[in-house]
Amino acid sequence: EAGVVQSPRYKIIEKKQPVAFWCNPISGHNTLYWYLQNLGQGPELLIRYENEEAVDDSQLPKDRFSAERLKGVDSTLKIQPAELGDSAVYLCASSSSRGGGSTGELFFGEGSRLTVL
Amino acid sequence: TQLLEQSPQFLSIQEGENLTVYCNSSSVFSSLQWYRQEPGEGPVLLVTVVTGGEVKKLKRLTFQFGDARKDSSLHITAAQPGDTGLYLCAGDRGKLIFGQGTELSVKP
Repeated sequence: EAGVVQSPRYKIIEKKQPVAFWCNPISGHNTLYWYLQNLGQGPELLIRYENEEAVDDSQLPKDRFSAERLKGVDSTLKIQPAELGDSAVYLCASSSSRGGGSTGELFFGEGSRLTVL
Repeated sequence: TQLLEQSPQFLSIQEGENLTVYCNSSSVFSSLQWYRQEPGEGPVLLVTVVTGGEVKKLKRLTFQFGDARKDSSLHITAAQPGDTGLYLCAGDRGKLIFGQGTELSVKP
């Protein structure tokens, strides 16, 4: 079974430029997450989707970050314009619904490492 | 304010030593997950603990969930270089909240 696929693996851009990251979750997983991870730190949730609906985007800096999950499968995370402080690894994860408000196992992609110069 | 505090942040030990990583919070969690992350990879689930006081073993790794479901520990016996990585605890309160991680380095 294929895992969570992310692209690109690495991206180097100059500040004020736009950048986009793509994620293909595990087939059948209706919950998709985007996390931001700084070096040696734990992941921080940016946005969570249940199918096409963004159910938690409270930590997404909406002035420059946007995300979409068309048709409830693949997702794209965009930053425009990028700032120096956005340099980090952007992780995508997916999980299947467990119900009862509990979170099951998250399956992570390898991440997209962004460097803003 | 970090909801989940992990300690220590960094740990460098020799092969064969034992170690314990702690994950503490003032909040109650319905469950707690432990992940391990290697450089250039995403985190991978090691275990989920659900019941207060629960102890789970995974080969040389022992995980414990506090009685009040606010804290957890990970104990590794006779650490191996292959145990090197970033260990993350994540508490479930309807969504996963990750600790800041413990960077473990095991030297041969």
